[in-house]
Amino acid sequence: DAMVIQNPRYQVTQFGKPVTLSCSQTLNHNVMYWYQQKSSQAPKLLFHYYDKDFNNEADTPDNFQSRRPNTSFCFLDIRSPGLGDAAMYLCATSRGEGRRPTYEQYFGPGTRLTVT
Amino acid sequence: AQSVTQLDSQVPVFEEAPVELRCNYSSSVSVYLFWYVQYPNQGLQLLLKYLSGSTLVESINGFEAEFNKSQTSFHLRKPSVHISDTAEYFCAVSIRMDSSYKLIFGSGTRLLVRP
Repeated sequence: DAMVIQNPRYQVTQFGKPVTLSCSQTLNHNVMYWYQQKSSQAPKLLFHYYDKDFNNEADTPDNFQSRRPNTSFCFLDIRSPGLGDAAMYLCATSRGEGRRPTYEQYFGPGTRLTVT
Repeated sequence: AQSVTQLDSQVPVFEEAPVELRCNYSSSVSVYLFWYVQYPNQGLQLLLKYLSGSTLVESINGFEAEFNKSQTSFHLRKPSVHISDTAEYFCAVSIRMDSSYKLIFGSGTRLLVRP
């Protein structure tokens, strides 16, 4: 089945120690998104890629970076995690304009990040 | 600016009772509306969507939602809930940004089904 995969499902890192979360997809969608979701809150969009074009949300801290080496993979890098960065991180995909766009997004299972 | 309001943060209900989760949106342009469900420690799953056409949309597990343009609402309903429906439900509207679409989420409603 076509799907969005996130690894690992649970990640523990130390305060200030860089961490990378990964996302892959078999849907062949050209748009990939990263969200941060804190407890009992709605997901908050951090950034998205349209093909190779990176689009940062205005209020995303510089501490968060992303890489998309190819269509299938996208990474979220947190350069110096703080205690406030503990959250669920969700990856999602969609198909953008020009390719029969999907208005909805398809989410992975998420990675729960703990910062000690 | 587009926004989505879910007034109820938590809705407790007994098993087999009907339920309605409320969602209102504000948008000055055509809207695409969604309900997502999130089970504990899981990602979001698309429950149903309204893009165009019939204002009443249904999911495979008995939920339905009705798009009401005059009231700018997209309430979610189920005539008889199960314990397994206990989850967080997010209403969302899709808005255009460059060549793709962005989801604006409501704050979520926790449905708690009791035996």
